[in-house]
Amino acid sequence: AQSVTQLGSHVSVSEGALVLLRCNYSSSVPPYLFWYVQYPNQGLQLLLKYTSAATLVKGINGFEAEFKKSETSFHLTKPSAHMSDAAEYFCAVSHGRGGSYIPTFGRGTSLIVHP
Amino acid sequence: EAGVTQFPSHSVIEKGQTVTLRCDPISGHDNLYWYRRVMGKEIKFLLHFVKESKQDESGMPNNRFLAERTGGTYSTLKVQPAELEDSGVYFCASSSRGDPDTQYFGPGTRLTVL
Repeated sequence: AQSVTQLGSHVSVSEGALVLLRCNYSSSVPPYLFWYVQYPNQGLQLLLKYTSAATLVKGINGFEAEFKKSETSFHLTKPSAHMSDAAEYFCAVSHGRGGSYIPTFGRGTSLIVHP
Repeated sequence: EAGVTQFPSHSVIEKGQTVTLRCDPISGHDNLYWYRRVMGKEIKFLLHFVKESKQDESGMPNNRFLAERTGGTYSTLKVQPAELEDSGVYFCASSSRGDPDTQYFGPGTRLTVL
């Protein structure tokens, strides 16, 4: 079984401030981990994914995430928020090649960026 | 290259009616997935096609939902008869055989059952 917990349904930051979106996962096998972003009226777009290579994963738009096995975490960060980062962010886990590719999603975190 | 497209973008129907949602995956993608998000909750898996075959339909809520994938190209998801709890956003995604865990999502169909 696998599950994802995203802490905070809403996160509010000022433009230029650090963005930190938290994700903890549970998986019985080595996980594949994903962050997706959904802008208004658009589909989910893959930001980055971890598939057992480097633990620090760099994605699009300046985002990165670090896989920490001991903490079962995969938090998403960006050093400086832009107004255009306002969107909903989803963390997801799958079993990857050891099992099913079907991801289990968290409930999502809405990122609000203040000028 | 065109992305995943879904039609319609919105649908409002009354309880007991039938609705059919359509998904056109990225050309050449063997894998096609349907998901649903009820307001404020997680995105939940419904089913997975590999070409025209149903690989995994463990997430389908009940037999009021019928999915097909004609000739391994586009897919339809029919809800008949619709109930109030079927309201939500239905997403379709596709992925290639060579990179199955990188899924490309469509914009979703927002279904409202009154």
